[in-house]
Amino acid sequence: DTEVTQTPKHLVMGMTNKKSLKCEQHMGHRAMYWYKQKAKKPPELMFVYSYEKLSINESVPSRFSPECPNSSLLNLHLHALQPEDSALYLCASSQSGTVTTTNEKLFFGSGTQLSVL
Amino acid sequence: AQTVTQSQPEMSVQEAETVTLSCTYDTSENNYYLFWYKQPPSRQMILVIRQEAYKQQNATENRFSVNFQKAAKSFSLKISDSQLGDTAMYFCAFMKVAGTASKLTFGTGTRLQVTL
Repeated sequence: DTEVTQTPKHLVMGMTNKKSLKCEQHMGHRAMYWYKQKAKKPPELMFVYSYEKLSINESVPSRFSPECPNSSLLNLHLHALQPEDSALYLCASSQSGTVTTTNEKLFFGSGTQLSVL
Repeated sequence: AQTVTQSQPEMSVQEAETVTLSCTYDTSENNYYLFWYKQPPSRQMILVIRQEAYKQQNATENRFSVNFQKAAKSFSLKISDSQLGDTAMYFCAFMKVAGTASKLTFGTGTRLQVTL
Protein backbone atom coordinates (compact mmCIF):
# COMPACT_ATOMS: atom_id res chain seq x y z
CA ASP A 1 0.00 0.00 0.00
CA THR A 2 1.66 3.19 -1.18
CA GLU A 3 -1.34 5.43 -0.70
CA VAL A 4 -1.80 8.66 1.13
CA THR A 5 -5.53 9.22 1.59
CA GLN A 6 -7.00 12.69 2.02
CA THR A 7 -10.56 13.59 2.94
CA PRO A 8 -12.64 15.39 1.92
CA LYS A 9 -11.73 15.82 -1.75
CA HIS A 10 -13.62 19.10 -1.95
CA LEU A 11 -14.61 21.56 0.78
CA VAL A 12 -16.51 24.83 0.64
CA MET A 13 -16.58 26.91 3.79
CA GLY A 14 -17.52 30.37 4.96
CA MET A 15 -15.09 32.68 6.69
CA THR A 16 -16.64 32.01 10.10
CA ASN A 17 -16.70 28.22 9.81
CA LYS A 18 -14.46 25.69 11.49
CA LYS A 19 -13.51 22.66 9.45
CA SER A 20 -10.79 20.00 9.39
CA LEU A 21 -8.83 18.26 6.66
CA LYS A 22 -7.74 14.70 7.26
CA CYS A 23 -4.79 12.71 5.94
CA GLU A 24 -3.95 9.07 6.53
CA GLN A 25 -1.13 6.71 5.51
CA HIS A 26 -0.38 3.10 6.37
CA MET A 27 3.13 2.79 4.97
CA GLY A 28 4.81 3.04 8.36
CA HIS A 29 6.16 6.48 7.48
CA ARG A 30 7.25 8.63 10.39
CA ALA A 31 7.07 12.03 8.70
CA MET A 32 4.00 13.83 7.38
CA TYR A 33 3.63 17.13 5.56
CA TRP A 34 1.05 19.74 4.62
CA TYR A 35 1.54 21.70 1.39
CA LYS A 36 -0.61 24.46 -0.08
CA GLN A 37 -0.89 24.84 -3.85
CA LYS A 38 -2.51 27.76 -5.60
CA ALA A 39 -3.65 27.36 -9.20
CA LYS A 40 -0.79 27.16 -11.71
CA LYS A 41 1.81 27.43 -8.94
CA PRO A 42 4.12 24.89 -7.30
CA PRO A 43 3.26 23.45 -3.89
CA GLU A 44 4.47 25.44 -0.90
CA LEU A 45 5.41 23.76 2.35
CA MET A 46 3.30 24.65 5.39
CA PHE A 47 4.14 22.13 8.13
CA VAL A 48 6.28 19.06 8.74
CA TYR A 49 5.73 16.50 11.49
CA SER A 50 8.56 14.12 12.24
CA TYR A 51 7.93 11.30 14.70
CA GLU A 52 4.65 12.97 15.67
CA LYS A 53 6.31 16.23 16.63
CA LEU A 54 6.05 19.46 14.72
CA SER A 55 9.49 20.06 13.25
CA ILE A 56 8.80 22.76 10.65
CA ASN A 57 6.23 25.56 10.60
CA GLU A 58 6.80 27.81 7.62
CA SER A 59 5.37 30.89 9.38
CA VAL A 60 1.82 29.79 8.62
CA PRO A 61 -1.00 31.98 10.05
CA SER A 62 -2.58 30.66 13.23
CA ARG A 63 -5.93 30.17 11.50
CA PHE A 64 -4.30 26.94 10.24
CA SER A 65 -3.68 24.50 13.08
CA PRO A 66 -2.01 21.15 12.40
CA GLU A 67 -2.39 18.08 14.54
CA CYS A 68 -0.70 14.68 14.41
CA PRO A 69 -2.61 12.29 16.72
CA ASN A 70 -0.38 9.35 15.73
CA SER A 71 2.18 8.49 13.08
CA SER A 72 -0.53 7.45 10.59
CA LEU A 73 -2.82 10.45 10.88
CA LEU A 74 -2.45 14.13 10.15
CA ASN A 75 -5.14 16.76 10.50
CA LEU A 76 -5.31 20.39 9.50
CA HIS A 77 -7.84 22.41 11.48
CA LEU A 78 -9.18 25.49 9.74
CA HIS A 79 -10.79 28.48 11.44
CA ALA A 80 -11.68 31.99 10.28
CA LEU A 81 -10.11 31.51 6.87
CA GLN A 82 -9.91 34.20 4.22
CA PRO A 83 -10.90 33.89 0.55
CA GLU A 84 -7.20 34.02 -0.38
CA ASP A 85 -6.74 30.73 1.49
CA SER A 86 -8.67 28.97 -1.27
CA ALA A 87 -6.26 26.42 -2.73
CA LEU A 88 -5.44 22.76 -3.10
CA TYR A 89 -4.10 21.35 0.16
CA LEU A 90 -1.78 18.42 -0.32
CA CYS A 91 -0.68 15.96 2.33
CA ALA A 92 2.48 13.91 1.94
CA SER A 93 4.43 11.35 3.91
CA SER A 94 7.99 10.03 3.88
CA GLN A 95 9.93 7.31 5.59
CA SER A 96 11.65 9.28 8.29
CA GLY A 97 11.55 13.00 7.74
CA THR A 98 15.32 13.19 7.69
CA VAL A 99 17.24 12.93 4.48
CA THR A 100 20.00 10.99 6.16
CA THR A 101 17.74 8.00 5.60
CA THR A 102 18.48 6.31 2.30
CA ASN A 103 15.70 6.27 -0.23
CA GLU A 104 13.94 9.23 1.38
CA LYS A 105 11.14 10.51 -0.86
CA LEU A 106 7.72 12.03 -0.45
CA PHE A 107 4.45 10.32 -1.38
CA PHE A 108 1.54 12.68 -1.95
CA GLY A 109 -2.20 12.36 -1.55
CA SER A 110 -4.61 13.64 -4.17
CA GLY A 111 -5.43 16.74 -2.16
CA THR A 112 -8.41 18.65 -0.80
CA GLN A 113 -9.66 21.48 -2.99
CA LEU A 114 -10.72 24.18 -0.55
CA SER A 115 -12.92 27.14 -1.44
CA VAL A 116 -13.47 29.90 1.12
CA LEU A 117 -16.48 32.11 0.45
CA ALA B 1 18.43 29.17 0.46
CA GLN B 2 17.92 26.85 -2.46
CA THR B 3 16.23 27.89 -5.69
CA VAL B 4 14.96 25.71 -8.51
CA THR B 5 14.41 27.14 -11.99
CA GLN B 6 12.39 25.64 -14.82
CA SER B 7 12.73 27.91 -17.81
CA GLN B 8 10.15 26.19 -20.05
CA PRO B 9 6.60 27.08 -18.93
CA GLU B 10 5.02 24.92 -21.65
CA MET B 11 6.16 22.24 -24.06
CA SER B 12 4.49 20.05 -26.63
CA VAL B 13 5.58 16.70 -28.09
CA GLN B 14 4.03 14.23 -30.45
CA GLU B 15 3.16 10.77 -29.31
CA ALA B 16 6.12 8.32 -29.54
CA GLU B 17 8.63 11.17 -29.75
CA THR B 18 11.27 12.17 -27.18
CA VAL B 19 11.19 15.37 -25.15
CA THR B 20 13.59 16.91 -22.63
CA LEU B 21 12.51 19.17 -19.79
CA SER B 22 15.12 21.49 -18.28
CA CYS B 23 15.83 22.27 -14.65
CA THR B 24 18.61 24.19 -12.95
CA TYR B 25 19.12 24.78 -9.28
CA ASP B 26 21.25 26.84 -7.00
CA THR B 27 22.63 25.57 -3.71
CA SER B 28 25.72 25.68 -1.55
CA GLU B 29 25.01 22.18 -0.26
CA ASN B 30 27.17 19.28 -1.37
CA ASN B 31 24.79 16.49 -0.43
CA TYR B 32 21.19 16.61 -1.60
CA TYR B 33 18.52 14.82 -3.64
CA LEU B 34 16.74 15.90 -6.80
CA PHE B 35 13.33 14.79 -8.00
CA TRP B 36 10.93 15.09 -10.87
CA TYR B 37 7.27 14.97 -9.93
CA LYS B 38 4.36 14.82 -12.35
CA GLN B 39 0.95 16.38 -11.67
CA PRO B 40 -1.75 15.30 -14.13
CA PRO B 41 -5.18 16.97 -14.29
CA SER B 42 -6.24 14.85 -11.30
CA ARG B 43 -3.75 17.06 -9.39
CA GLN B 44 -2.09 14.22 -7.48
CA MET B 45 1.68 14.65 -7.29
CA ILE B 46 3.34 11.51 -8.62
CA LEU B 47 7.04 10.79 -8.20
CA VAL B 48 8.67 10.19 -11.58
CA ILE B 49 12.35 9.84 -10.75
CA ARG B 50 14.89 10.53 -8.01
CA GLN B 51 18.63 11.29 -8.09
CA GLU B 52 21.15 11.37 -5.24
CA ALA B 53 23.72 14.11 -5.69
CA TYR B 54 26.59 11.87 -4.58
CA LYS B 55 25.87 9.39 -7.38
CA GLN B 56 27.47 10.13 -10.73
CA GLN B 57 25.31 7.63 -12.57
CA ASN B 58 22.14 9.14 -14.02
CA ALA B 59 18.87 7.68 -12.72
CA THR B 60 16.50 5.91 -15.08
CA GLU B 61 12.94 4.64 -14.66
CA ASN B 62 11.60 2.88 -17.74
CA ARG B 63 10.95 5.63 -20.33
CA PHE B 64 12.20 8.38 -18.00
CA SER B 65 15.84 9.29 -17.52
CA VAL B 66 17.76 12.26 -16.21
CA ASN B 67 20.90 14.08 -17.22
CA PHE B 68 22.46 15.19 -13.95
CA GLN B 69 25.33 17.65 -14.25
CA LYS B 70 26.39 18.47 -10.70
CA ALA B 71 29.01 21.06 -11.54
CA ALA B 72 26.59 22.90 -13.79
CA LYS B 73 23.74 22.40 -11.30
CA SER B 74 21.55 21.05 -14.05
CA PHE B 75 18.99 18.24 -13.83
CA SER B 76 17.02 17.61 -17.01
CA LEU B 77 14.34 14.97 -17.58
CA LYS B 78 14.13 13.00 -20.81
CA ILE B 79 10.89 11.25 -21.69
CA SER B 80 11.24 8.67 -24.45
CA ASP B 81 8.38 7.22 -26.50
CA SER B 82 5.97 9.86 -25.16
CA GLN B 83 2.45 8.70 -24.40
CA LEU B 84 -0.81 10.61 -24.09
CA GLY B 85 -0.83 9.75 -20.39
CA ASP B 86 2.37 11.73 -19.94
CA THR B 87 0.38 14.94 -20.39
CA ALA B 88 0.83 16.75 -17.07
CA MET B 89 2.60 19.51 -15.21
CA TYR B 90 6.15 18.44 -14.37
CA PHE B 91 7.90 19.86 -11.32
CA CYS B 92 11.60 19.64 -10.61
CA ALA B 93 12.35 19.58 -6.88
CA PHE B 94 15.36 19.84 -4.58
CA MET B 95 15.61 18.12 -1.19
CA LYS B 96 18.17 19.33 1.29
CA VAL B 97 20.11 16.83 3.37
CA ALA B 98 19.64 17.88 6.96
CA GLY B 99 19.32 16.21 10.33
CA THR B 100 15.95 17.58 11.31
CA ALA B 101 13.50 17.21 8.44
CA SER B 102 13.16 16.69 4.72
CA LYS B 103 12.34 19.88 2.89
CA LEU B 104 11.36 19.87 -0.77
CA THR B 105 11.72 23.04 -2.83
CA PHE B 106 9.82 22.97 -6.12
CA GLY B 107 10.46 24.76 -9.38
CA THR B 108 7.65 26.63 -11.12
CA GLY B 109 6.79 23.69 -13.37
CA THR B 110 6.63 22.84 -17.06
CA ARG B 111 3.29 21.99 -18.61
CA LEU B 112 3.78 19.14 -21.10
CA GLN B 113 1.17 18.37 -23.73
CA VAL B 114 1.47 15.11 -25.67
CA THR B 115 -0.39 15.22 -28.98
CA LEU B 116 -1.42 12.61 -31.53
